[in-house]
Amino acid sequence: GQQLNQSPQSMFIQEGEDVSMNCTSSSIFNTWLWYKQDPGEGPVLLIALYKAGELTSNGRLTAQFGITRKDSFLNISASIPSDVGIYFCAGRPSSASKIIFGSGTRLSIRP
Amino acid sequence: DVKVTQSSRYLVKRTGEKVFLECVQDMDHENMFWYRQDPGLGLRLIYFSYDVKMKEKGDIPEGYSVSREKKERFSLILESASTNQTSMYLCASSLLLGPRGGPGGEQYFGPGTRLTVT
Repeated sequence: GQQLNQSPQSMFIQEGEDVSMNCTSSSIFNTWLWYKQDPGEGPVLLIALYKAGELTSNGRLTAQFGITRKDSFLNISASIPSDVGIYFCAGRPSSASKIIFGSGTRLSIRP
Repeated sequence: DVKVTQSSRYLVKRTGEKVFLECVQDMDHENMFWYRQDPGLGLRLIYFSYDVKMKEKGDIPEGYSVSREKKERFSLILESASTNQTSMYLCASSLLLGPRGGPGGEQYFGPGTRLTVT
């Protein structure tokens, strides 16, 4: 079946650093979504992207829908301790109606 | 704000018990979903529903059933709980149509139910 490759699997960075993570697929997607999950909670939608090349920000977070429609990127600027958690990408392939989730990027921050 | 609520945050049940997990959303969303989340396996879709009384199997429906009698409520049923069903269960909902008329994509999740079967 279709899969999303999300990388990196985990990151351990210094507070104040910028963070980048990405998701790639072998097929074309119509929708890209980015979620954050805190421990013991459900994922919370951060950013939704619907058009190739689209760049959308939510505070210090910026996500882009890749122009090939096979990838998406999430950047976090000037990380702070509350950014800790697991970030998931999700997407809807053009050939299907189901949303597929990536395996997540676990972000840890050194104060 | 979209709100998805789940009946319990934590649940402990014995093997063989019948378990009901309930989910309610207040945004008049057509689609509702049940996932389980396990370390190293990510989010796996159990069942989903795109209308009242309609249901579709997801990727791992075995051992589960669902019920959608009202648009806002979607229940997950474990007919006879087993230890391998110990997991975090997440409910989500979404609109049928997306911002430009295509299939809705933005799923909104509840806080999750951590189920332990002993």
